[in-house]
Amino acid sequence: EVQMVQSGAEVRKPGATVKISCTVSGYTLTDYYLHWVRQAPGKGLEWMGRLDPDDGETIYADNFQGRLTMTADTSRNTAYMELRGLTSEDTAVYYCAPGGVAGGPVGPNGFFDYWGQGTLVAVSS
Amino acid sequence: EVVLTQSPDFQSVTPKETVTITCRASQSIGSSLHWYQQKPDQSPKLLIKYASQSFSGVPSRFSGSGSGTDFTLTINSLEAEDAATYYCHQSGSLRYTFGQGTKLEIK
Repeated sequence: EVQMVQSGAEVRKPGATVKISCTVSGYTLTDYYLHWVRQAPGKGLEWMGRLDPDDGETIYADNFQGRLTMTADTSRNTAYMELRGLTSEDTAVYYCAPGGVAGGPVGPNGFFDYWGQGTLVAVSS
Repeated sequence: EVVLTQSPDFQSVTPKETVTITCRASQSIGSSLHWYQQKPDQSPKLLIKYASQSFSGVPSRFSGSGSGTDFTLTINSLEAEDAATYYCHQSGSLRYTFGQGTKLEIK
């Protein structure tokens, strides 16, 4: 069974950094891109970017250029999302999602059929 | 960036009605458009992939259509459990985006 288990809620002060983990099971991390999506309280879904765990290549949304880093430890089947320079506008639930597991390794894999449980990041002074 | 605009933002409907939600893309994305349902305090759930392909386990009352820039999600014979927010999502460009969401209230 495909599962993603994310790390627990975090509280940070403005200007700080947060790093969230996403440990996958039921498939091999390197088989699919790993995406991150966030949702501010009462707001919609926002795609942040994606990581190719096989070679470390990343694509980030323009909104996060320069302060977002996605990495993976394939030996632990775990992906990480680090966001720096936090402001109150970064308060949100952060989700990880592999790219289209149902499409198989060949694809197409543009959809999100599995999601992590979400990690709340609260930024407050 | 491909901007996805959903309409309406909110709709209140009665059970057994049919609802149509539209999603318009700012540029052509082929059929790379997917639909999700999200209930409060839950992760989103995939309903439709690639514009019209039903995802496994999703009730048959959910269907999708469209290509290029105009897409629709149709929910036939609404049930109380369909109360949720629905999002479209595009993977037709390098940087993915989501629509702003459509909140569906069941009277």
